[in-house]
Amino acid sequence: EAAVTQSPRSKVAVTGGKVTLSCHQTNNHDYMYWYRQDTGHGLRLIHYSYVADSTEKGDIPDGYKASRPSQENFSLILELASLSQTAVYFCASSGTEEVFFGKGTRLTVV
Amino acid sequence: GDSVTQTEGLVTLTEGLPVMLNCTYQSTYSPFLFWYVQHLNEAPKLLLKSFTDNKRPEHQGFHATLHKSSSSFHLQKSSAQLSDSALYYCALSDGGTGSKLSFGKGAKLTVSP
Repeated sequence: EAAVTQSPRSKVAVTGGKVTLSCHQTNNHDYMYWYRQDTGHGLRLIHYSYVADSTEKGDIPDGYKASRPSQENFSLILELASLSQTAVYFCASSGTEEVFFGKGTRLTVV
Repeated sequence: GDSVTQTEGLVTLTEGLPVMLNCTYQSTYSPFLFWYVQHLNEAPKLLLKSFTDNKRPEHQGFHATLHKSSSSFHLQKSSAQLSDSALYYCALSDGGTGSKLSFGKGAKLTVSP
């Protein structure tokens, strides 16, 4: 089955600090995505990419940056973490068929 | 832009009763519709997807029918099982089955004995 690996799986960050969430896929997929999950809001798209060295804004990009240095790797960067960014973050990848999700990263900003 | 409205919040059922989760959508194009299921502490996984030839997708006893006239893709199952307890998301894509998804807010289904 398609594999998407996220690290870390959980993290506690300090307000104002920098946070980097990493994602690695071994599916040879062109598309990669970062979603945020909050109770009452569902899954919302932050950034996505369809080719290395290029990223696109999703529906809620403010406060987040993304980096796609290679086809396999896609990072989400919070330059100045805020309390409102406490959430579960999912990375996903897709080719021409279904979207496959990683197991998520639980981020708590204190 | 594209949007999905689905049954949301908490849905509680007794084992053996039918399951019905509603999903309607708005899209400029003819989108693909999906149901994703997420069990506790797991990743969301594809449960069903709409077909371009109007076949009714079925998986694990669940089925859904795409009705373009009413812009709906409701999820149904005749008899709920305890193992169906999970979070269910309706989603759409206008770029095919492997492109970015717009999700509804999710419904947490709890099936009790």
